[in-house]
Amino acid sequence: EPEVTQTPSHQVTQMGQEVILRCVPISNHLYFYWYRQILGQKVEFLVSFYNNEISEKSEIFDDQFSVERPDGSNFTLKIRSTKLEDSAMYFCASSEEASNQPQHFGDGTRLSIL
Amino acid sequence: AQSVTQPDIHITVSEGASLELRCNYSYGATPYLFWYVQSPGQGLQLLLKYFSGDTLVQGIKGFEAEFKRSQSSFNLRKPSVHWSDAAEYFCAVGPLSGNTPLVFGKGTRLSVIA
Repeated sequence: EPEVTQTPSHQVTQMGQEVILRCVPISNHLYFYWYRQILGQKVEFLVSFYNNEISEKSEIFDDQFSVERPDGSNFTLKIRSTKLEDSAMYFCASSEEASNQPQHFGDGTRLSIL
Repeated sequence: AQSVTQPDIHITVSEGASLELRCNYSYGATPYLFWYVQSPGQGLQLLLKYFSGDTLVQGIKGFEAEFKRSQSSFNLRKPSVHWSDAAEYFCAVGPLSGNTPLVFGKGTRLSVIA
């Protein structure tokens, strides 16, 4: 069964550094998402992306965050200047175009900010 | 705004016992409802989904869930729990359109004892 893949599985970064989290969505999916889960808390929506632009973003997704689909397969989340509170598990998800299709999640990238 | 409540933070059941995880939602219309499972260090795996039709839905790994509109509930059940079912379970609502984000509950951690 096709799956969403995320790399790296764990990223350790110094505070203030830029970090890029990578995702390869399922190949025929057209909607892409980033969520995050701070340790012990619920999964929170960050941003959705469709047709090469952001569709919706949450309050969390401030100017420090950006997303990009640089080629036909990758979908990236960039944090420009990381803060301690950015430490979390970041999940990428994708879904087909039809509205009744569920989102499929990757295994996540654990981001640790030192 | 839509919201999801999972009233039980942690549940412990004996292997072979039945299981019911509670989920209540708040939504303006009939939502799409999902249950995801997260094993330690893993991503979110879709267990089952409800879009319309039969209010009792079957999922993977022997799980089922029943949508009760009158109670705004979508409880997850399994008749006989296995030790491998120990994980975090998340109820989620949405999307009605292709790129509306999922709203997750805080999760219920299931422990299974011998």
